[in-house]
Amino acid sequence: RKEVEQDPGPFNVPEGATVAFNCTYSNSASQSFFWYRQDCRKEPKLLMSVYSSGNEDGRFTAQLNRASQYISLLIRDSKLSDSATYLCVVNRNTGGFKTIFGAGTRLFVKA
Amino acid sequence: DAEITQSPRHKITETGRQVTLACHQTWNHNNMFWYRQDLGHGLRLIHYSYGVQDTNKGEVSDGYSVSRSNTEDLPLTLESAASSQTSVYFCASSVAGENIQYFGAGTRLSVL
Repeated sequence: RKEVEQDPGPFNVPEGATVAFNCTYSNSASQSFFWYRQDCRKEPKLLMSVYSSGNEDGRFTAQLNRASQYISLLIRDSKLSDSATYLCVVNRNTGGFKTIFGAGTRLFVKA
Repeated sequence: DAEITQSPRHKITETGRQVTLACHQTWNHNNMFWYRQDLGHGLRLIHYSYGVQDTNKGEVSDGYSVSRSNTEDLPLTLESAASSQTSVYFCASSVAGENIQYFGAGTRLSVL
């Protein structure tokens, strides 16, 4: 079982829809969490950090559930430009500092 | 503007050849990382460095080496390229003590 797991999708949604992705992690010692966005054939870029209290940035909301060991990303009012792969990233500092990337969830937003 | 650059962007080589991929950052970040990305696997860590003269193995380090002689550069060397090393390679850097990594544009390597 992978330490960080994501549904690969693809998620196909119409413009204006609300879509949510979850990411589960298996190591309870994980300390910090992020969502990155990766466009086709481009490098990953930080989308937002995920805090215990939740984090909202415009149409994007990220939440952390430590008890169930998952993080989520909610995108409201989807735009065509939101089409990308969304990577879940988990950091921990047991057995050495380690950053683990999920394999990503693909999103297609259609007109 | 400060940045992180990788070169070459595309490379085709033959099995058994030694190949070096360059990574250069101008942010003065202490931490630098090399990943490979393959379908279905996401990003996998090859090697990383927390400063000059410091290098560490990641989860897929076999067949790769790095050296850190200055803050700005972390070249990745494939000692004897194999077809299994065909992949997209990303370099990243981060500030010491911070978890956010900034990525270069990637190098697409084909080993024939």
